[in-house]
Amino acid sequence: AQSVTQLGSHVSVSEGALVLLRCNYSSSVPPYLFWYVQYPNQGLQLLLKYTTGATLVKGINGFEAEFKKSETSFHLTKPSAHMSDAAEYFCAVSEGSGGSNYKLTFGKGTLLTVNP
Amino acid sequence: DTGVSQDPRHKITKRGQNVTFRCDPISEHNRLYWYRQTLGQGPEFLTYFQNEAQLEKSRLLSDRFSAERPKGSFSTLEIQRTEQGDSAMYLCASSFGQATNEKLFFGSGTQLSVL
Repeated sequence: AQSVTQLGSHVSVSEGALVLLRCNYSSSVPPYLFWYVQYPNQGLQLLLKYTTGATLVKGINGFEAEFKKSETSFHLTKPSAHMSDAAEYFCAVSEGSGGSNYKLTFGKGTLLTVNP
Repeated sequence: DTGVSQDPRHKITKRGQNVTFRCDPISEHNRLYWYRQTLGQGPEFLTYFQNEAQLEKSRLLSDRFSAERPKGSFSTLEIQRTEQGDSAMYLCASSFGQATNEKLFFGSGTQLSVL
């Protein structure tokens, strides 16, 4: 069984400040890890994913995340927040190669607010 | 790429009624997924199709729920004898290929309210 814990249901930052959204996972098999973003009235959009290889993953809109196996974490960061980053962010895990890799288990989400 | 389309966007129904939702995936995508999202929660996996074959159903999908994907194109999700606990956002997603890490494209969802 897999699970995802997102620390902080709501994170508020100032424009230009560092964004850090935390995600810890539990998986009995090597995981694939994802971050999705959901803007109001829009579908979930993939920001970035980790499958194998380099543990620092770069995504769209300047976001990146680092897979740390020892800490079972996959935190999302962005050096400088922009007003347009305000949205809800979901961390997700799936079983990796050889497992049910088509099935995502999502965290509860973190709502990011960016203050001017 | 016109995206994943879901219809209707909103559905209000009375308890005990049947409802049906439709999902049109991106045309060349062979995989289709249904998820459910309730307030304050992340999406939860319901079921998965590869072409027209339904390959997995979550335990969340009770006997009142049925999903189909005739001819491997659009999909429908029907809920019979709706209950208030069925109120949620129902999300459809699609992807292409056999790869283990292909990108899922999500629709905007159908918001169901059961009164």
